[in-house]
Amino acid sequence: NAGVTQTPKFQVLKTGQSMTLQCAQDMNHEYMSWYRQDPGMGLRLIHYSVGAGITDQGEVPNGYNVSRSTTEDFPLRLLSAAPSQTSVYFCASSFDGNYGYTFGSGTRLTVV
Amino acid sequence: DAKTTQPNSMESNEEEPVHLPCNHSTISGTDYIHWYRQLPSQGPEYVIHGLTSNVNNRMASLAIAEDRKSSTLILHRATLRDAAVYYCILRRHGANSKLTFGKGITLSVRP
Repeated sequence: NAGVTQTPKFQVLKTGQSMTLQCAQDMNHEYMSWYRQDPGMGLRLIHYSVGAGITDQGEVPNGYNVSRSTTEDFPLRLLSAAPSQTSVYFCASSFDGNYGYTFGSGTRLTVV
Repeated sequence: DAKTTQPNSMESNEEEPVHLPCNHSTISGTDYIHWYRQLPSQGPEYVIHGLTSNVNNRMASLAIAEDRKSSTLILHRATLRDAAVYYCILRRHGANSKLTFGKGITLSVRP
């Protein structure tokens, strides 16, 4: 039982490049979310999903796309990376709206 | 969404109990009170949650005021490993509920 797995752990991108941050969970959780955390700040919700085929925007969705084609996977796409997207990204999953979330260990992204 | 208010920081001594307060005066009847913590350089970790009654688990206790406008996370015996940022979050019961973090309270534990 791996929990929530995020890949890669570290990534450096050039401005304008695109990439996908991967998130997978093996707990059959319906709810999944993406957060970003800037240095010294709290977590901000980017996008979330309450089940396969269902996604919605969080607090800071601009510049990011998501899709949820399976229960297990919830990838986050950066369309055209900008230095302002330098951050640590966390993926999380939850059984449903009434349970606690399990978080991944994070992806540290630097955009130069 | 209803907001929570926490002090910025708190200090405690190792092996003593710690009471972390949270105010949520605009809480609605369907809001659960969740607590998470984030150790340095790690992702957040679920601690406990409750609706109306006090809750206990292996990590902590959650004391909820009778009017639900405030709550307290209780660590019964602080260890150095408990030094972290603790987030008090309201999460609406039911479908489509999000988990939105505030700034949290930074707990320091003195040896």
